[in-house]
Amino acid sequence: AQSVTQLGSHVSVSEGALVLLRCNYSSSVPPYLFWYVQYPNQGLQLLLKYTSAATLVKGINGFEAEFKKSETSFHLTKPSAHMSDAAEYFCAVTGSNTGNQFYFGTGTSLTVIP
Amino acid sequence: GAVVSQHPSWVICKSGTSVKIECRSLDFQATTMFWYRQFPKQSLMLMATSNEGSKATYEQGVEKDKFLINHASLTLSTLTVTSAHPEDSSFYICSQIAGGTYEQYFGPGTRLTVT
Repeated sequence: AQSVTQLGSHVSVSEGALVLLRCNYSSSVPPYLFWYVQYPNQGLQLLLKYTSAATLVKGINGFEAEFKKSETSFHLTKPSAHMSDAAEYFCAVTGSNTGNQFYFGTGTSLTVIP
Repeated sequence: GAVVSQHPSWVICKSGTSVKIECRSLDFQATTMFWYRQFPKQSLMLMATSNEGSKATYEQGVEKDKFLINHASLTLSTLTVTSAHPEDSSFYICSQIAGGTYEQYFGPGTRLTVT
């Protein structure tokens, strides 16, 4: 079975500060991991994905995430927060035995303080 | 990435009426699409998996007679909320699988408000 846990439903950072959004996964098969961002009343936009290639994945808008198998983690980071980063972020996992079904975390709302 | 559209983006209907939401794949054929609903400040909940030319597979707790899914072509899946009630008010999002990958592309969502 697959699942993800996002620690911290709300995260606030100052503009220019480091962004760290946490995601831990549970998977019985090698996982494929994704981070999506959602702005109000919009669909999900893919930030980045891990599909068993490089463990450090770079995505759009300056975000990156590192797959750590030993810690079963896939935390999302950005060195310097921008006001436009304020949004809801979702971590998701799927695997080769899930029929492509995604399992989403509960989401983390990021607030950027000017 | 693949482009997925949804129509309408926002709909208001009266209690007891039915509403149809369309999900279109604009640039490639999708044999499988997924339908999610999302309540305010919550995550996406998978409702059903829509397979072209066959019956949809519903998740536990989702009423298949209330949420009718039709995937009649490789580029169109529809979700019909029948006899809608205020508790059906939600944000409905569809997605499709990118061919040959595990990635899903999401539509922009449809906001349903039942009065």
